[in-house]
Amino acid sequence: EDKVVQSPLSLVVHEGDTVTLNCSYEVTNFRSLLWYKQEKKAPTFLFMLTSSGIEKKSGRLSSILDKKELFSILNITATQTGDSAVYLCATSSNSGYALNFGKGTSLLVTP
Amino acid sequence: NAGVTQTPKFQVLKTGQSMTLQCAQDMNHNSMYWYRQDPGMGLRLIYYSASEGTTDKGEVPNGYNVSRLNKREFSLRLESAAPSQTSVYFCASDSGFGNQPQHFGDGTRLSIL
Repeated sequence: EDKVVQSPLSLVVHEGDTVTLNCSYEVTNFRSLLWYKQEKKAPTFLFMLTSSGIEKKSGRLSSILDKKELFSILNITATQTGDSAVYLCATSSNSGYALNFGKGTSLLVTP
Repeated sequence: NAGVTQTPKFQVLKTGQSMTLQCAQDMNHNSMYWYRQDPGMGLRLIYYSASEGTTDKGEVPNGYNVSRLNKREFSLRLESAAPSQTSVYFCASDSGFGNQPQHFGDGTRLSIL
């Protein structure tokens, strides 16, 4: 059975801190790993990773995938209160269409 | 840019009532999905439609039916609502080719008393 495990489940940091969110996975016929940010409503897409060792970057956020060790990390530098959200990790498989989600990491950034 | 539109946004039902959740996308996507999100459980797939004219069960299909009305619209029906179906329901869509992310609607918060 495919599995996605995120850690920590929740995290509180001060503005300006750097955070690292973790996602480990077990997927049959792995295709990609995705990160989403969820505030009040819809999950919004951050990154899609398919190749090992290649960092994807967008502003203060970056992510990397390790296909040998079966994990990914999402880094946020110089955190701001607007980064407060639930961060979801999901995997896709070449065997199917749907995403398999982890339970999410709830991040709270305090002023 | 509408993207994925879900209606209604909120609904309260009594046990045993029926209801249809509507979803429409304007991105010409082939595949559409229904998820439910419960506290501590993450997003779980209920049903999906890989392309117009096809539907398949996901992880938690019991108590639900779906209809892919056309390429744009994918509805989720609760025939006889139960309190265990209290949840937030998300519709999503993507190209179906596996090289693009899924895009999500804003969700429907459903409470069943």
